[in-house]
Amino acid sequence: AQSVTQPDIHITVSEGASLELRCNYSYGATPYLFWYVQSPGQGLQLLLKYFSGDTLVQGIKGFEAEFKRSQSSFNLRKPSVHWSDAAEYFCAVGGGGSQGNLIFGKGTKLSVKP
Amino acid sequence: KAGVTQTPRYLIKTRGQQVTLSCSPISGHRSVSWYQQTPGQGLQFLFEYFSETQRNKGNFPGRFSGRQFSNSRSEMNVSTLELGDSALYLCASSLHPSETGAYEQYFGPGTRLTVT
Repeated sequence: AQSVTQPDIHITVSEGASLELRCNYSYGATPYLFWYVQSPGQGLQLLLKYFSGDTLVQGIKGFEAEFKRSQSSFNLRKPSVHWSDAAEYFCAVGGGGSQGNLIFGKGTKLSVKP
Repeated sequence: KAGVTQTPRYLIKTRGQQVTLSCSPISGHRSVSWYQQTPGQGLQFLFEYFSETQRNKGNFPGRFSGRQFSNSRSEMNVSTLELGDSALYLCASSLHPSETGAYEQYFGPGTRLTVT
């Protein structure tokens, strides 16, 4: 079955510290992978995507993610977290071929300590 | 370029009523997908429309339906509302994958539906 697992429900980091959010996926075809961020009461904003090619992808707001096929992972990283990064982060897979739908993980809520 | 817009942003309805939500995609995007977001179930896919045709459907009862117009705007309808339909309904638009490689979806702010 196709699925996305985000093992961490809630993470708290200090401002200026590095961040890594984990994402593992199960997908039968070529995975198209995405990270989205959602602030309270808002929709989802696309941070970055992986379709093919270089396995390290850069996104907006200083985020990057690395695709590791052998581990079925697509972890999101940021070297130095800002207080404005506090939000919920969703990993998603799918959207390829004729499948116009994404399968989302349950999300990881990020809190940032001053 | 304007983003995805959804109307209304907030809605309160009573059990048994029906509701229609509207979504205007980014200009040039012809694929529109709908998702339901709840604290318990997370983000779940409802359906996807492309060129006025429903191409893909999630596992929701027939009370949930949608349509797309020739200008790519989309509506979704929920009939006979239940308390469990209270959720944030998100619309996303994208170009066709033949243009980008995959459905790169851009989301609207959502419609918060409360059923009492």
